[in-house]
Amino acid sequence: GAGVSQSPSNKVTEKGKDVELRCDPISGHTALYWYRQSLGQGLEFLIYFQGNSAPDKSGLPSDRFSAERTGGSVSTLTIQRTQQEDSAVYLCASSSWGGGTDTQYFGPGTRLTVL
Amino acid sequence: GDSVTQMEGPVTLSEEAFLTINCTYTATGYPSLFWYVQYPGEGLQLLLKATKADDKGSNKGFEATYRKETTSFHLEKGSVQVSDSAVYFCALYDNQGGKLIFGQGTELSVKP
Repeated sequence: GAGVSQSPSNKVTEKGKDVELRCDPISGHTALYWYRQSLGQGLEFLIYFQGNSAPDKSGLPSDRFSAERTGGSVSTLTIQRTQQEDSAVYLCASSSWGGGTDTQYFGPGTRLTVL
Repeated sequence: GDSVTQMEGPVTLSEEAFLTINCTYTATGYPSLFWYVQYPGEGLQLLLKATKADDKGSNKGFEATYRKETTSFHLEKGSVQVSDSAVYFCALYDNQGGKLIFGQGTELSVKP
């Protein structure tokens, strides 16, 4: 079946603009994650959605970052008033049920460049 | 908090050489452990995993054994190929937070 998809694949924006990044998880997966991959910080967790529970937002670096998941499927990560340090590859992952033995499947990522 | 430490790269090997990439972890309890691989220009893919102590994960000729005594999950392959050139990430599942915690990644380059 189809894997995790993300759009856009590349996004170039100017400092101070808002951006929205989209993730389509594998159909039927209840858990969805956002991570960020950057040269200086490696792979960092941002936010985790599990079913209808309140998301775990503990990894969001500032209040400029937010995410939502509609209908338990598609998720959008929004970055307001982008800064140059937000430049990174944003990765989305999904898993069947979100437990410790479950495998997280990653999308190809969105490369964000803030000028 | 939980953390993962990998040997630094880049690692350069000749084809058919033996590979070891060291990974150690710090965690509360016994989390599931993973190796992910990122080939050039591609996304992260699961390579193998182990969900409890003494388990051995294996895939594509790669192996790693969950050692709770040494809190390690070293990746090994007996004979690497040029196609194994990639960045390898060790990770643990954070039971408190429901997320993966990754090591910094190790870049492997295999020369013919």
